Amino acid sequence: KQEVTQIPAALSVPEGENLVLNCSFTDSAIYNLQWFRQDPGKGLTSLLLIQSSQREQTSGRLNASLDKSSGRSTLYIAASQPGDSATYLCAVRPGETSGSRLTFGEGTQLTVNP
Amino acid sequence: DAGVTQSPTHLIKTRGQHVTLRCSPISGHKSVSWYQQVLGQGPQFIFQYYEKEERGRGNFPDRFSARQFPNYSSELNVNALLLGDSALYLCASSSSYATEAFFGQGTRLTVV
Repeated sequence: KQEVTQIPAALSVPEGENLVLNCSFTDSAIYNLQWFRQDPGKGLTSLLLIQSSQREQTSGRLNASLDKSSGRSTLYIAASQPGDSATYLCAVRPGETSGSRLTFGEGTQLTVNP
Repeated sequence: DAGVTQSPTHLIKTRGQHVTLRCSPISGHKSVSWYQQVLGQGPQFIFQYYEKEERGRGNFPDRFSARQFPNYSSELNVNALLLGDSALYLCASSSSYATEAFFGQGTRLTVV
């Protein structure tokens, strides 16, 4: 059974700092991995999708890397801003035949202080 | 283009009642998935429908059921509600079977 773990559970940083969020998964046979952002009481916003054949993806100040063999992904946020404050979730899709059955971690709650 | 839309946004029900939640996917998307998110936890997979057929089911009791209509919208039904069913119910749409998932804003269900 696939298990996804995110460390740390919570993180508080001053504005402008670069930071890294970690995601690990137990079964390396994944099809792709997706990072999401969730504001309190809201739905999920897709940030980045990395296919199993890729090493990293970039969007603006965000960079996500994937090391499938070691079961790890990181989300790098450059020059953090107060508006980045949210919970960040990673989710893995076990295989193409598993469709959209995403397995989520419990998230990292990020607070960026002005 | 409209994103994934869910209705209602909030709902309060009494134990033992039945509830229907609705989801309209992004135009052109044929896959709809449902997730339950309890406060403080990550979402848990409930169902996936693709081309109007059930393609996956998570570890949820038979009180949970769903269907997808010819226009690809979907309903999630929960019978005999329990207090533990209180959660944020999220709908996700994808253009195809295993492509990037886009989520709606969710329906907050409170069972009293």
